[in-house]
Amino acid sequence: DAGVIQSPRHEVTEMGQEVTLRCKPISGHNSLFWYRQTMMRGLELLIYFNNNVPIDDSGMPEDRFSAKMPNASFSTLKIQPSEPRDSAVYFCASSPQVPYEQYFGPGTRLTVT
Amino acid sequence: AQRVTQPEKLLSVFKGAPVELKCNYSYSGSPELFWYVQYSRQRLQLLLRHISRESIKGFTADLNKGETSFHLKKPFAQEEDSAMYYCALRKGSQGNLIFGKGTKLSVKP
Repeated sequence: DAGVIQSPRHEVTEMGQEVTLRCKPISGHNSLFWYRQTMMRGLELLIYFNNNVPIDDSGMPEDRFSAKMPNASFSTLKIQPSEPRDSAVYFCASSPQVPYEQYFGPGTRLTVT
Repeated sequence: AQRVTQPEKLLSVFKGAPVELKCNYSYSGSPELFWYVQYSRQRLQLLLRHISRESIKGFTADLNKGETSFHLKKPFAQEEDSAMYYCALRKGSQGNLIFGKGTKLSVKP
């Protein structure tokens, strides 16, 4: 298994553009998590899904952020419109069930200029 | 509010020296605590969890409820231990984790 797959690995975009980050969880895992990592705030949970259903999105910063999980093997995190303060590394993680270990993807480094 | 505090952004030690990465938490319930590690150019991965009471790569961590701490310790640091270490708290039976801001450990030869 290749583990959690994220794409793209790097994204550079201009302020105001739409950005879509993608995640493929490990096959058979029922829970999926999106995190944002910055120097100032460390690792923050944005949203997590259980069986494709969003359970807790209280970490989503504002309406510009949205996340979907249309099926068990794919999730997206969208930022529209993007702003320079959104620059960060975005991690996706999955786990077999809610209380078990989370497996992280390699992250997407987003730079908004 | 639930919170995880790692007071040191950077910890630098020499090879063979003992190392302790501090972690304090704030949580009113019964916490589950974890240490995650991210080596250079690798993914964030679980190092150990308090319920397992195990030693991984020579590291141990003891949950001290009185001091609300979960410090990570190793008696003799190795160069390959250089990495970013994150302490994390899971709230009850929910899956989401609250992470500290991380401590970068640098082990010098």
